[in-house]
Amino acid sequence: DTAVSQTPKYLVTQMGNDKSIKCEQNLGHDTMYWYKQDSKKFLKIMFSYNNKELIINETVPNRFSPKSPDKAHLNLHINSLELGDSAVYFCASSQEATGIRGYTFGSGTRLTVV
Amino acid sequence: GIQVEQSPPDLILQEGANSTLRCNFSDSVNNLQWFHQNPWGQLINLFYIPSGTKQNGRLSATTVATERYSLLYISSSQTTDSGVYFCATRDSNYQLIWGAGTKLIIKP
Repeated sequence: DTAVSQTPKYLVTQMGNDKSIKCEQNLGHDTMYWYKQDSKKFLKIMFSYNNKELIINETVPNRFSPKSPDKAHLNLHINSLELGDSAVYFCASSQEATGIRGYTFGSGTRLTVV
Repeated sequence: GIQVEQSPPDLILQEGANSTLRCNFSDSVNNLQWFHQNPWGQLINLFYIPSGTKQNGRLSATTVATERYSLLYISSSQTTDSGVYFCATRDSNYQLIWGAGTKLIIKP
């Protein structure tokens, strides 16, 4: 069973469209995250969600919005996609917010905006 | 904010060699993690190592918090060790701040 699963794995879309990426974890973890990895492999936190508390990286455009229907899911919705949004997006989870017990990552969603 | 720097940026080794990867951080940290991203993009959490030394098979990590650095040792490298190794630490919002990574290539 996949611990953290993301769908879709690949997403190609046109500028201006709205798209969503889904993430589900079956580990019973309390905290979930979204990361963006650019073409130079640099990883940057976008959001973390713990016990209904959302922490947003202030550099993330408000076109990006996380949605968590329950503790096991943290979906990423993106409005008005831009070329610069092309990247690999990783969902992750940890047992608690401190991450002391480690992080589990999904396999990533490669988003290409054309 | 906290800055995380990794060295070297790239490392090419022959199978069987040993390697040391370094992570420097700009401020006192109480949460230091090492990750491996394989050539297919999968990220694996290797160690949580805020201080001291841990070992897991051929990999070990040491963090000297007072001197603001951490080292990842890989012994008897195998081709499956190839990929990018990241260190990361946590900021006051419990969010990970990542280094730029060390790209390791192990040649057969």
